[in-house]
Amino acid sequence: AQSVTQLDSQVPVFEEAPVELRCNYSSSVSVYLFWYVQYPNQGLQLLLKYLSGSTLVKGINGFEAEFNKSQTSFHLRKPSVHISDTAEYFCAVVGYQKVTFGTGTKLQVIP
Amino acid sequence: DAGITQSPRHKVTETGTPVTLRCHQTENHRYMYWYRQDPGHGLRLIHYSYGVKDTDKGEVSDGYSVSRSKTEDFLLTLESATSSQTSVYFCATAVESGANVLTFGAGSRLTVL
Repeated sequence: AQSVTQLDSQVPVFEEAPVELRCNYSSSVSVYLFWYVQYPNQGLQLLLKYLSGSTLVKGINGFEAEFNKSQTSFHLRKPSVHISDTAEYFCAVVGYQKVTFGTGTKLQVIP
Repeated sequence: DAGITQSPRHKVTETGTPVTLRCHQTENHRYMYWYRQDPGHGLRLIHYSYGVKDTDKGEVSDGYSVSRSKTEDFLLTLESATSSQTSVYFCATAVESGANVLTFGAGSRLTVL
C-alpha cells in the first residue's frame, strides 16, 4: 500500500517571497515522485518528476523539489513566487504501476 | 500534449438518470484513466484502461462503468446518477503505466440534483 500526505491545504505567501509545499509519502516499494500543478478551471499538468539519480529535481517555472528517502519526503520549493503561481499543487507517488495523489495544496500569492 | 478532449464540459442532471462522459485522445496513448476530483480528497481513480476492451477498477469504482472500443475513446458511464457523484471528472492518458507522466484533459463538471 502507498499513501501521500500534503499537510497544508492552503499556503498564503506574499509575492517575491520563498515558498515550500510539503509532501510526505509512504510505500513498501521503490517509488517515483511527481508534482503536478492545476490552474483554475484547467486539468493538471506536470511540474517536475523524480525517477532516479540526483535527488534535487528542477521543474518548470523556477520550481524545484528534493527527494529525501530517509524522511520519505518530496517537498516543492520556489525562491521567489509570482502572482501567476497561484494554483493548486498536487504531489503524486507511483509504485507498482499505481498512481496515488495527495489531497492538494492551494498556493495563494498575495500582491 | 496528448490532445485530450472531454465532453461535455458541464452537465446538470437529475438523480437516477444515466450519464455518459466521453474522453477522446489523438496521440495513440495506450493507457487511459478516469479520475474524480473533490475538495479534501484530491484525485481518486475511478477506472482505467490498458488497451482496447481492457479495463480495470480503481479505488472508487462503485456506481461507474467504462468502455473502450477504440484506442482513442474512453467512456465513463454513471448508471444511475446520485448526488454523491457530483464532482469534476478528469480523463488522463499515458504512453505506458508506471513512471510515465499523466496528461490530463480539461475536466467535466457534473452536477446531480
